[in-house]
Amino acid sequence: DAGVTQSPTHLIKTRGQQVTLRCSPKSGHDTVSWYQQALGQGPQFIFQYYEEEERQRGNFPDRFSGHQFPNYSSELNVNALLLGDSALYLCASRNRDRGNSPLHFGNGTRLTVT
Amino acid sequence: RKEVEQDPGPFNVPEGATVAFNCTYSNSASQSFFWYRQDCRKEPKLLMSVYSSGNEDGRFTAQLNRASQYISLLIRDSKLSDSATYLCVAGMDSSYKLIFGSGTRLLVRP
Repeated sequence: DAGVTQSPTHLIKTRGQQVTLRCSPKSGHDTVSWYQQALGQGPQFIFQYYEEEERQRGNFPDRFSGHQFPNYSSELNVNALLLGDSALYLCASRNRDRGNSPLHFGNGTRLTVT
Repeated sequence: RKEVEQDPGPFNVPEGATVAFNCTYSNSASQSFFWYRQDCRKEPKLLMSVYSSGNEDGRFTAQLNRASQYISLLIRDSKLSDSATYLCVAGMDSSYKLIFGSGTRLLVRP
């Protein structure tokens, strides 16, 4: 049973560029959330997707956008990259029908913006 | 003020020690609570959920005080492998947006 998988594992981009990160949820999960974790901080909620729509959003600018596909996989897009976007980006999934079941996290994508 | 606050540590304890972590949350509407463990440069992994009645899982005991908006984690008989960062987490509502604390770092020495 595959857990949450993310790609790529590492990425280096230049300021102003755009990046797309990908996530496949754990088998049986239909809800995907994205988190940003800066060094020394806890993960910060970016947004959550289910039924292919963004359902809730954290305090992140419009440069951060996402998408969920019919197979529940998801993408996180960040435009006009800033140095401060350097972080570990975590995808997490769960099944909405299972009440307050915990989130399962992927290994993350470590983004470095130079 | 952060929504979930934790002492960053580090807590440096010998093997076999008992160590306690505390956490406070600011939003009284929080409905679910968890402790996650995160090893260096790895993803967070669920350690345990936290229930109002308190709950125990082996050497780990978690407690929740809703009146004080306070969550605790007690680790007994610490092992070297317990060295990690422990993240306190509050779930805000049924949409399941999780608010993480910045984490408490634990170092268990031989």
